[in-house]
Amino acid sequence: EVQLVESGGGLVQPGGSLRLSCAASGFTFSSYAMHWVRQAPGKGLEYVSAISSNGGSTYYANSVKGRFTISRDNSKNTLYLQMGSLRAEDMAVYYCARAGRTMATPYYFDYWGQGTLVTVSS
Amino acid sequence: EIVMTQSPATLSVSPGERATLSCRASQSVSSNLAWYQQKPGQAPRLLIYGASTRATGIPARFSGSGSGTEFTLTISSLQSEDFAVYYCQQYNNWPLFGQGTKLEIK
Repeated sequence: EVQLVESGGGLVQPGGSLRLSCAASGFTFSSYAMHWVRQAPGKGLEYVSAISSNGGSTYYANSVKGRFTISRDNSKNTLYLQMGSLRAEDMAVYYCARAGRTMATPYYFDYWGQGTLVTVSS
Repeated sequence: EIVMTQSPATLSVSPGERATLSCRASQSVSSNLAWYQQKPGQAPRLLIYGASTRATGIPARFSGSGSGTEFTLTISSLQSEDFAVYYCQQYNNWPLFGQGTKLEIK
């Protein structure tokens, strides 16, 4: 059974940093591109970032470019999102999601984690 | 940038009836369109990809159609568990979601 479990969310002050993790199991993690999608409270889904299966290619939405860094450790079956210079508008539930291909290119998401909440507030 | 517009924002339908949800793209996305269902407190669940292919385990009452800029998700006979928010997502370019349609019980 495919499982994606996010962790690392919490309360952070504006301008602060946080690292999210997504532990994967039930599939060959190193064969799939992985993505982050977020959802602000009461709002819709917003795409954040992608990384190819080998970590060699990444993509960022304009709203997070230069502040967030996506990475992965295939030996640990874990996806990361390092978030910096956090703003109030970054407050959201962050989901990791699997796409059924190796490349960090546009695709649909067949499995999602349960999400982790990031709260940005002083 | 492609803009995805879903309509209506809220749809009220009685159990057992048919629901039709629409999604429009500001430019052609070919058949690179997916639909997701999201219930309160849960992650989205993939229903349809390639505009019309049901994902694994999705009941046959869910069907998708369309190509180019106009897409439709139809739920043929609403069950109680189908009342949720539905999002379309284009993946012809970098993924962009519609704003969602809330399907509520009439």
